[in-house]
Amino acid sequence: DGGITQSPKYLFRKEGQNVTLSCEQNLNHDAMYWYRQDPGQGLRLIYYSQIVNDFQKGDIAEGYSVSREKKESFPLTVTSAQKNPTAFYLCASRDRVGTEAFFGQGTRLTVV
Amino acid sequence: KNQVEQSPQSLIILEGKNCTLQCNYTVSPFSNLRWYKQDTGRGPVSLTIMTFSENTKSNGRYTATLDADTKQSSLHITASQLSDSASYICVVSQTSGGYNKLIFGAGTRLAVHP
Repeated sequence: DGGITQSPKYLFRKEGQNVTLSCEQNLNHDAMYWYRQDPGQGLRLIYYSQIVNDFQKGDIAEGYSVSREKKESFPLTVTSAQKNPTAFYLCASRDRVGTEAFFGQGTRLTVV
Repeated sequence: KNQVEQSPQSLIILEGKNCTLQCNYTVSPFSNLRWYKQDTGRGPVSLTIMTFSENTKSNGRYTATLDADTKQSSLHITASQLSDSASYICVVSQTSGGYNKLIFGAGTRLAVHP
């Protein structure tokens, strides 16, 4: 069935390590997004991509990197430069000309 | 500054009761306003989406209203059920420079008790 899938659901990272969060969609959507959610705050945009092989920084891109080599996939790497990476990460996609955004189930990243 | 403010932060009601959640925004230019439901540890799921010209929209027991003049929206839940326990997020869409940006409120955490 169609949807947007994030993996893993839980991820633990040691200080100084890079980790990659997976986001895959089979909705044939052009646009994909990564958000970070912290307690008591609204979702904040990390990176977005409106088309394959193109992506743009969002409001809090420092310490993160992305790639968009395939339409279906938009992985997010949390690098060691991100000083406070513990958070809930949400991936979303939507049709380029549509208005509905569909979210994955999220990945909870914890630094240990 | 483009902001979306939601109130209350949290709310506890008894099963079967009604409740209303509020959303005030200062986003401009405004494109549309959405309400999402987010269960704990899950991704948000869309409840309603409203454009500038729409005043009210219903989705089952959920009814959203929009006053574009005062920049206020509300989400009314009728005959609440235990499964309504979740965070409700107001999201305002802004169109700027050809890009449609979503600005999220912090959410209202609703707990429905038996």
